[in-house]
Amino acid sequence: DVKVTQSSRYLVKRTGEKVFLECVQDMDHENMFWYRQDPGLGLRLIYFSYDVKMKEKGDIPEGYSVSREKKERFSLILESASTNQTSMYLCASSFEGSEQYFGPGTRLTVT
Amino acid sequence: AQSVTQLGSHVSVSEGALVLLRCNYSSSVPPYLFWYVQYPYQGLQLLLKYTTGATLVKGINGFEAEFKKSETSFHLTKPSAHMSDAAEYFCAVSEDRGSTLGRLYFGRGTQLTVWP
Repeated sequence: DVKVTQSSRYLVKRTGEKVFLECVQDMDHENMFWYRQDPGLGLRLIYFSYDVKMKEKGDIPEGYSVSREKKERFSLILESASTNQTSMYLCASSFEGSEQYFGPGTRLTVT
Repeated sequence: AQSVTQLGSHVSVSEGALVLLRCNYSSSVPPYLFWYVQYPYQGLQLLLKYTTGATLVKGINGFEAEFKKSETSFHLTKPSAHMSDAAEYFCAVSEDRGSTLGRLYFGRGTQLTVWP
């Protein structure tokens, strides 16, 4: 059974804190993705990676960075969290151009 | 870049009624097409996908979708709604056919409510 796991289901951080969201997949997928999901806006792509140490900006990369040191792990970093980054964050992985498999999501609240 | 339009952010049906969720995409070259479902407080789960071959695609939980190239549509249907179908549904299309980068473009989602 394919599995994408995210380090936390719920997270509360203060404005200005550095925040790390971790994602791990066990399917040996090349591609990994970070999205944020907000009501009425659907899923918006923040960053994606198609290989170790490779990254590409998505549609809303501002205020975020990513790290992929190992194939199975893709981290999203909020350098200085702000209240407008309160959201649901979803990680996904895929093999080449096929369907994406999603983790359960991390609901981040920045106060 | 692709764009995906889901007509109707909210759809309500009675239990046992037909479910029809609409999706149109922008590409003139048929991409790969997907429908995902999201239950409350969970991630997205693949319902079905179209890549090539038969244009009527069957998925899990009794859902199916038909790819219509002339209409650039991929509408999702289920003949008889069940209470457990209440969820948010997302249509997605690939970057382009055969791309290995795997980027998908998502619609804004349709919230399905099923009344008893």
